[in-house]
Amino acid sequence: DAKTTQPPSMDCAEGRAANLPCNHSTISGNEYVYWYRQIHSQGPQYIIHGLKNNETNEMASLIITEDRKSSTLILPHATLRDTAVYYCIVKMGSGTYKYIFGTGTRLKVLA
Amino acid sequence: DAGVTQSPTHLIKTRGQQVTLRCSPKSGHDTVSWYQQALGQGPQFIFQYYEEEERQRGNFPDRFSGHQFPNYSSELNVNALLLGDSALYLCASSSRWGAEAFFGQGTRLTVV
Repeated sequence: DAKTTQPPSMDCAEGRAANLPCNHSTISGNEYVYWYRQIHSQGPQYIIHGLKNNETNEMASLIITEDRKSSTLILPHATLRDTAVYYCIVKMGSGTYKYIFGTGTRLKVLA
Repeated sequence: DAGVTQSPTHLIKTRGQQVTLRCSPKSGHDTVSWYQQALGQGPQFIFQYYEEEERQRGNFPDRFSGHQFPNYSSELNVNALLLGDSALYLCASSSRWGAEAFFGQGTRLTVV
C-alpha cells in the first residue's frame, strides 16, 4: 500500500479556501486517492476520492497532479465546522481493500 | 437510512475482562471492517469481514476476534483486556463492489 505524507497542522481563515496538500509518490496506477475527515472523537467522514482526473462534489474539490504523485483537497469556503483532522489515503478502489491511515492534517479554521 | 450504527457508545471494563462491540452496516453494504484508534493517532485496521468470514487482518493479536452474521452485522470481541486496549473502536461498512467506506461513530472503550 502506498504511503502518504501530510503536514501535521494548518490554519485557515473562515470564508477563505482551505488547500490541504498530500504527497503519495509511490502510488500505483490502479490506486485511488481518498480523503476523509474526523471531527473530534467522531467517526471519519468520507469527503471525496479520485483516480487521476480532478473531482468535485458538494463538500470539496480534489486536484491530482498529472504524475499522480501528489494531490490537494480544496474546501472552497471554510467554516468553523470544517475544523477537523483530514486524512489522505491511497488504496485500491474496491470496497474490500483496507484503509491505512496516517496521522493526517489538523486543520483549524479561525474566525 | 441510519448509516453505520455501533453499540454501545461508551464502555468501561476491568483489565482481564472480555468485551463485545457491535456494528450494523449501512443499508446495501455487505463488508464490515474494524479499526482501533488510540488517542492522538489515526485509525489502525484490525480486520475485515464479508460473506461471514474474516478476509483480511491487521497486526493485532488473537485476543481480537470477530464475527459477521447473515444480515451483515458484525461483532468485535476482545479477550483478556489490557490497559493498552483503551481506544475508540470504529466500524466501517462498504460494498464489495463499491468504493468508499462509511464509518460509524465508534465505541469508546476504557480499560481500568
